[in-house]
Amino acid sequence: KNQVEQSPQSLIILEGKNCTLQCNYTVSPFSNLRWYKQDTGRGPVSLTIMTFSENTKSNGRYTATLDADTKQSSLHITASQLSDSASYICVVRERANDYKLSFGAGTTVTVRA
Amino acid sequence: NAGVTQTPKFRVLKTGQSMTLLCAQDMNHEYMYWYRQDPGMGLRLIHYSVGEGTTAKGEVPDGYNVSRLKKQNFLLGLESAAPSQTSVYFCASSNEMNTEAFFGQGTRLTVV
Repeated sequence: KNQVEQSPQSLIILEGKNCTLQCNYTVSPFSNLRWYKQDTGRGPVSLTIMTFSENTKSNGRYTATLDADTKQSSLHITASQLSDSASYICVVRERANDYKLSFGAGTTVTVRA
Repeated sequence: NAGVTQTPKFRVLKTGQSMTLLCAQDMNHEYMYWYRQDPGMGLRLIHYSVGEGTTAKGEVPDGYNVSRLKKQNFLLGLESAAPSQTSVYFCASSNEMNTEAFFGQGTRLTVV
């Protein structure tokens, strides 16, 4: 069973609207959680990173939140643009086990005009 | 401003053929990684390297070999390709173990 589960698997939103992506993880002990954006045909690019002591981190119109107690994170996209169409991947880094990374399967976001 | 460069971008192999994927990074990173990405699954680590001349097995190493003869290059080899190795392969590098990784653009490999 994957230690990082993302939902929804995909979603479609209209340009200008907001959306929220979810990430639940079971990785423990936990070091940090990162959100990546992966455009079609490209490699993932880091958006935000949060340690276990941080609750929120923003990068422009992207805001990530973290609840380490419930092992949940969310990525909120504000005022979506066509360029936000991509896959968003949640990645959790363990504090032990050679800092192993566990990747979620991603949420595919499609923004339509 | 190249970052991480992978070659080739696309390749079709017949079952049993061999090939080598090349990854080059210009950021002087010590750590390099090879991942595969399959539909509906998260990226899975194949092999990684913590420095020139060193390699280690990741989560799914079977059927692959790697070499890190130069710090900037990390090669992934398939000795006898199988259809199960059809995937998109990503190389990445970082300056510390599993910190922010910079990814290449990927290699889409199809084994028929």
